[in-house]
Amino acid sequence: GEDVEQSLFLSVREGDSSVINCTYTDSSSTYLYWYKQEPGAGLQLLTYIFSNMDMKQDQRLTVLLNKKDKHLSLRIADTQTGDSAIYFCAERGNFGNEKLTFGTGTRLTIIP
Amino acid sequence: DAGVIQSPRHEVTEMGQEVTLRCKPISGHDYLFWYRQTMMRGLELLIYFNNNVPIDDSGMPEDRFSAKMPNASFSTLKIQPSEPRDSAVYFCASSLGGSLNEQFFGPGTRLTVL
Repeated sequence: GEDVEQSLFLSVREGDSSVINCTYTDSSSTYLYWYKQEPGAGLQLLTYIFSNMDMKQDQRLTVLLNKKDKHLSLRIADTQTGDSAIYFCAERGNFGNEKLTFGTGTRLTIIP
Repeated sequence: DAGVIQSPRHEVTEMGQEVTLRCKPISGHDYLFWYRQTMMRGLELLIYFNNNVPIDDSGMPEDRFSAKMPNASFSTLKIQPSEPRDSAVYFCASSLGGSLNEQFFGPGTRLTVL
């Protein structure tokens, strides 16, 4: 079946850039997503990228997709304390398949 | 819209008891998903429905787990009998099927089985 992998932890100094990486196995992925989970809450969609794109920028967020290597990354510029959360990568297979496969999540800790 | 509503927010029960978790999806959404989150296994999809019909229940751990969606605005996840290893946070999410299919998550139910 599909598999999505992420490293579990990342620590970054306030003001620096954070880069969270994700690899996936499903070559038929259509959309790839980044969800954010704050303590005690459910997941919220942060951003997404369609599989025929290789980059998407949205304010402080930059998503890079290397479809050949099945590698997705999320860069957060000028990381703030409010960015502390768990970040989940998720992929969706063929159109018509509404199921998302989530990674394990990366816990981002901001060092003052 | 109030978003996805789950109840209860916290549940503490004893091993062997029946547990029922409830979910009200966002009005108009045609997909509903039940997930379980634990430290050991991360976020797992248990089952999902389309237009109240179960589509994929391959993630349901065993026969002790059952889920129903009697109408478009309500779903339940039942565990009978409950075991300590069922302790987790259970999330319900809903979406409007289509290209992006953004899933909107509820706040979760934290279940503790003693």
